[in-house]
Amino acid sequence: GDSVTQMEGPVTLSEEAFLTINCTYTATGYPSLFWYVQYPGEGLQLLLKATKADDKGSNKGFEATYRKETTSFHLEKGSVQVSDSAVYFCALRLDRGSTLGRLYFGRGTQLTVWP
Amino acid sequence: NAGVMQNPRHLVRRRGQEARLRCSPMKGHSHVYWYRQLPEEGLKFMVYLQKENIIDESGMPKERFSAEFPKEGPSILRIQQVVRGDSAAYFCASSPGGGTEAFFGQGTRLTVV
Repeated sequence: GDSVTQMEGPVTLSEEAFLTINCTYTATGYPSLFWYVQYPGEGLQLLLKATKADDKGSNKGFEATYRKETTSFHLEKGSVQVSDSAVYFCALRLDRGSTLGRLYFGRGTQLTVWP
Repeated sequence: NAGVMQNPRHLVRRRGQEARLRCSPMKGHSHVYWYRQLPEEGLKFMVYLQKENIIDESGMPKERFSAEFPKEGPSILRIQQVVRGDSAAYFCASSPGGGTEAFFGQGTRLTVV
């Protein structure tokens, strides 16, 4: 079935380190792909998205490229900050029929950045 | 424009009681989705509603859980006779259309004691 697999956490980095969180997906059809961020005690906020193959989503220094050949959407940031500490969720959306708008989430990756 | 509002933020219920979770979508949004987040897990889809209609409830447990989105007022997720396994964070998201970006509320954290 349709699903998302993302890198297990937790991930602990020093400030200004490079970040990669891996995400791969299984889907029938052509999904849209998303990264959401959840700060402690808060709801999910959309971080970035890509709607078709080879699209690159970017926001706040984070980037992810929709790779159809490897069914991946890895999240990267060149230099993390303490304020990036949060849980990151990869998700896909299949816009067909009754599943229109429904999101399928990975398990989430906890990121902690130390000063 | 206020965001998606969920209340209460925290809810404690004893086993066997009923839990009612409310979600007021963003202004102009007529599509509502409910998700459940169990500890250490990602969000799992529960139900998709439009005003007065349930579009997809394939993620809802068959018993004790129900959802509605009336013509007026918030969407309600109702859990009857709660059990400890119902303890989780319940998130609501709304969108103006089925294939458009969904905005999430801050969630209701249900604890069953």
